[in-house]
Amino acid sequence: EVQLVESGGGLVQPGGSLTLSCAASGLSVRSSYMNWVRQAPGKGLEWVSVIYPNGDTHSADSVKGRFTISRLSAQNKVRFQMNSLGTDDTAVYFCTAIIAGADHYYSLDVWGQGTTVTVSS
Amino acid sequence: DIQLTQSPSSLSAFVGDTVTITCRASQSIGTYLHWYQLKPGKAPKVLIYGASGFLREVPSRFSGSGSGTEFTLTISGLQPDDFATYYCQHTYRTPPWTFGQGTKVEVK
Repeated sequence: EVQLVESGGGLVQPGGSLTLSCAASGLSVRSSYMNWVRQAPGKGLEWVSVIYPNGDTHSADSVKGRFTISRLSAQNKVRFQMNSLGTDDTAVYFCTAIIAGADHYYSLDVWGQGTTVTVSS
Repeated sequence: DIQLTQSPSSLSAFVGDTVTITCRASQSIGTYLHWYQLKPGKAPKVLIYGASGFLREVPSRFSGSGSGTEFTLTISGLQPDDFATYYCQHTYRTPPWTFGQGTKVEVK
């Protein structure tokens, strides 16, 4: 069974940092397009960041320069380092995968249950 | 960046109704358009990929159509389990791969 499990969420003060982790099973993070998507309270889904199989990364303007996505291939995990957090970053963060070779036009086929990040003093 | 505009933002319908949600892109995105269902406290679920691609685990009452800049999601014969919020998203070329603002489907 393909599964993604996020961890690392919690309460952090404005200006602080937090690292999220996404553990994958049933798929290889190295050969998939691994994404983070978030949903702020009462808001819609927001695509945040992606790491390609070749290691290229892209992020939304709202987090560029503050958030970094990376892979821990040996552990089959994705890491999401979030710095300079603001109250606008409060959200449920979902790890989600595009399965390379699925021929689904890069749809986000696999999702984790999400981890909650709360930025508050 | 490519913007996606969904309409309506919400709708009320009866069980058994057919509902249609529209997603318009600010520029042509071919068929790199997907539809997701989101329920409170649950992970989003992909319903349609590539504008009209079916997934075997998704009920056949969900269908998608369109290409270029205009797309639709149709639910034929709304079921109680279908009351949720629906999002379109594009994955055309270079990110950001934006979502539409969502359409909440509520019971009438």
